This record gives sequence, C-alpha cells and structure tokens, in this order.
Amino acid sequence: DIQMTQSPSSLSASVGDRVTITCRASQSIASYLNWYQHKPRTAPTLLIYSASTLQSGVPSRFSGSGSATDFTLTISSLQPEDFATYYCQESYSTSFTFGPGTKLDIK
Amino acid sequence: QVQLVESGGGVVQPGGSLRLSCAVSGFTFSKYGMHWVRQAPGKGLEWVAVFWFDGTTKFYGDSVKDRFTISRDNSKNTLYLQMNSLRAEDTAVYYCARMGLELGSSIDYWGQGTLVTVSS
Repeated sequence: DIQMTQSPSSLSASVGDRVTITCRASQSIASYLNWYQHKPRTAPTLLIYSASTLQSGVPSRFSGSGSATDFTLTISSLQPEDFATYYCQESYSTSFTFGPGTKLDIK
Repeated sequence: QVQLVESGGGVVQPGGSLRLSCAVSGFTFSKYGMHWVRQAPGKGLEWVAVFWFDGTTKFYGDSVKDRFTISRDNSKNTLYLQMNSLRAEDTAVYYCARMGLELGSSIDYWGQGTLVTVSS
C-alpha cells in the first residue's frame, strides 16, 4: 500500500503569512494528489486536484505543485478563514490513502 | 445543488452491526463513483470504501475489509455501508463522498457525516 506523510504536523502562522505544507508518497503517484481543507464539525472541502489544479470556487491564494513522490500546498497570504486542518490524498491506487494532516492555527 | 445526507449512525455494542445510508440529490447518481470516509475522535481522515461508477467494482480499506460492505441503489439515489463485527476502533464520524468526474479521482462533494459509536 502507498503511505502518505505530511510535514509539518502542525503550524502556527499569522494572517498575511505565506505558508507551505509538504506531502510525500512512499512511491510514485504521478500527479494523482489531492488537497482538502477540513474545519471542525464541517464537511471537508476539495482545494486542489491532480497536484496543481485549483478546484472551482477556491481562492487563488491556494496553489499546489509537485509530481511523483513530493508535493506542496502553498497559501500565499493567510486569511482568517484558512485556519483549519489540511490533508493530502493519493488517488493513484485503490486505497485512496490520506496523509495524517497538518493543523494550521493562529499564532 | 449537490447534496449528500448520511443517516443511520448511533451507539452499538462491540460485535454488533449497523447500516449507514447516504441519500443524494442534485446530480445523476448512477454516473458517479462514491466513497465512505471516516474520522475517529481526535484523528485524521481515513478512507473506508469506494463503489466505482461502473456499478460493480468495489474496494475497501484494510481495516474494514471482510467486515464492511458498500452497496448502492441507483433507483433510490442512495449509497449504503453495512458494518458488521464492529469494534471500538470503528468509532468515528462517517462521511459519504462523491468521486469527481475528470477531477483526478478526487472527492469533490462530502456529506456532513453521521457519528457511529461502538461501546458497551
């Protein structure tokens, strides 16, 4: 099975900061990498699919990059509504494995 | 608009069974693959199962294989998850979710979730 790791596991930042979260796959997953945002007591939302394609309606301050095993999610200028937990997920295999998550909170 | 509404959660004893339902609307259900994803208290998201858009292909996570069964009734626009031999570690919020078309097999819509608690 493909294993997914994320770093950091938690991050404190301020409004206006640029933030980068890293996701790594245990084997090549081409560009089958997705990013989700999850806030407590709400449904997760899709931010980025296929490593770098912004989902419709998602603000352009979110961007994704990478391929094969190494991927990044960048938020160019943090807004108050961005404080949440972020998950990567591979959709290359039929295990659809999620990363462990990165909790982003206010400094 | 797209809606996914889960139901059927509750408290069940270890070793017991429960069936979750997910009623969908706002899209042609039969054309989409559908997932179940769960989140245990204080933990991250865990993928559980998928029913492919072809109407027959199913895959399961290792932790639920041989205990859980995903099914769908396209005439009722409903996805199901039959959960047997439940364990304490199955306690979680269970989300029904749609596999996006041409979106790299990502999940583009999620329900609000239903809580399953396995406890004696």
